Amino acid sequence: EVQLVESGGGLVQPGGSLRLSCSASGFIFSSYAMHWVRQAPGKGLEYVSAISSNGGSTYYADSLKGRFTISRDNSKNTVYLQMSGLRAEDTAVYYCVKGYYGSGSYYHDAFDIWGQGTMVTVSS
Amino acid sequence: QSVLTQPPSASGTPGQRVTVSCSGSSPNIESNYVYWYQQLPGTAPKPLIYRNNQRPSGVPDRFSGSKSGTSASLAISGLRSEDEADYYCATWDDSLSGVVFGGGTKLTVL
Repeated sequence: EVQLVESGGGLVQPGGSLRLSCSASGFIFSSYAMHWVRQAPGKGLEYVSAISSNGGSTYYADSLKGRFTISRDNSKNTVYLQMSGLRAEDTAVYYCVKGYYGSGSYYHDAFDIWGQGTMVTVSS
Repeated sequence: QSVLTQPPSASGTPGQRVTVSCSGSSPNIESNYVYWYQQLPGTAPKPLIYRNNQRPSGVPDRFSGSKSGTSASLAISGLRSEDEADYYCATWDDSLSGVVFGGGTKLTVL
């Protein structure tokens, strides 16, 4: 069974940092791009970041550039999202999502399996 | 403000057919596949429609998708109470080089 389990969320003060992890199982992790999508409380979905299967290419939403860093460790079947300079507007559930096409690239990819999400709350 | 435009709400009675629209533009919907995701209350989204009109295994054929020009639609026939959920359209945007979502449509089964 394909499974994604996020961890690392929690309460952090404005300006603080947090690292989210997403542990994957049930598929050939190194063949798929991975994505992060977030959802603020009561709001819609927002595409945050993506990484190609070999980690060589990354994407960030314009509003996040310079503050978030995505990475992956294919030996551990894990993708990470390092978040710094956190703001109140970053408060959201962060979902780890497996890419659909398995081409390795995040370009023109779609979303297949979603994790259960991890809540990040930025507040003093 | 979402790049793709969806109505915030839709409703129908059991057995009815409802449609949810998704409007975009040339760099996104017109040039790329459209995907639909269903988010049941309190759960993570899950894929509903791939590549404009393809259903993943396990998705009932009551759900169908279509695309024409810069717009797409999700149709749900034989509406059931368990269809009450939020529905999101998504596609790749060639200008932004990333995935864009619609704002979501909350479907209520009356």
